[in-house]
Amino acid sequence: SYELTQPLSVSVALGQTARITCGRNNIGSKNVHWYQHKPGQAPVLVICRDSNRPSGIPERFSGSNSGNTATLTISRAQAGDEADYYCQVWDSYTARVFGGGTKLTVL
Amino acid sequence: EVQLLESGGGLVQPGGSLRLSCAASGFTISSYPMSWVRQAPGKGLEWVSGISTNNGNTYYADSVEGRFTISRDNSKNTLYLQMNSLRAEDTAVYYCAKEKEGATWNYFDYWGQGTLVTVSS
Repeated sequence: SYELTQPLSVSVALGQTARITCGRNNIGSKNVHWYQHKPGQAPVLVICRDSNRPSGIPERFSGSNSGNTATLTISRAQAGDEADYYCQVWDSYTARVFGGGTKLTVL
Repeated sequence: EVQLLESGGGLVQPGGSLRLSCAASGFTISSYPMSWVRQAPGKGLEWVSGISTNNGNTYYADSVEGRFTISRDNSKNTLYLQMNSLRAEDTAVYYCAKEKEGATWNYFDYWGQGTLVTVSS
């Protein structure tokens, strides 16, 4: 399996749009999933299969995937969106791969 | 409502053993792939082990192969992780997670709150 590359941190002003990237060669050929993880809490799936929002996830969360980069976009960022975000792909039964995680700060 | 509740974490010496449990409710674990995922202090998420549905095939990350064993008790709707020959680098919060699978993808749609395992003398 190959690593997924995420920026260590992303900052966004309150109410503005945050974009978190996940890079790998030809990641566009994979299904990418995104998780939100707040300290002391269970991770939460926010985007599955590139761009699908599970029930209960606000429309402000969206995803895209093409070429060598997948992107999680958070529109109208709120203080409650502050968290670590992880991308994930399935390469094989022995390789469910996570990115290194991105800390989102809302200013 | 799907719920996953882990237990069994604690402090153990290097070389020791520990068994984690994950009690599931709101669904039947034998009908879905299940996994254990861990997060070491200050680090990211790392998939550790998984078990499939019908045939119960088990899978492991290279870092735990031969030391950890995943299993499930369908009558108790509970997932387990037996951890042997523990090392300091196994120190982490361990999460159990329910999976959803397709032909070419798997993702984790529900997670537990996690249980802390500390390996130290």
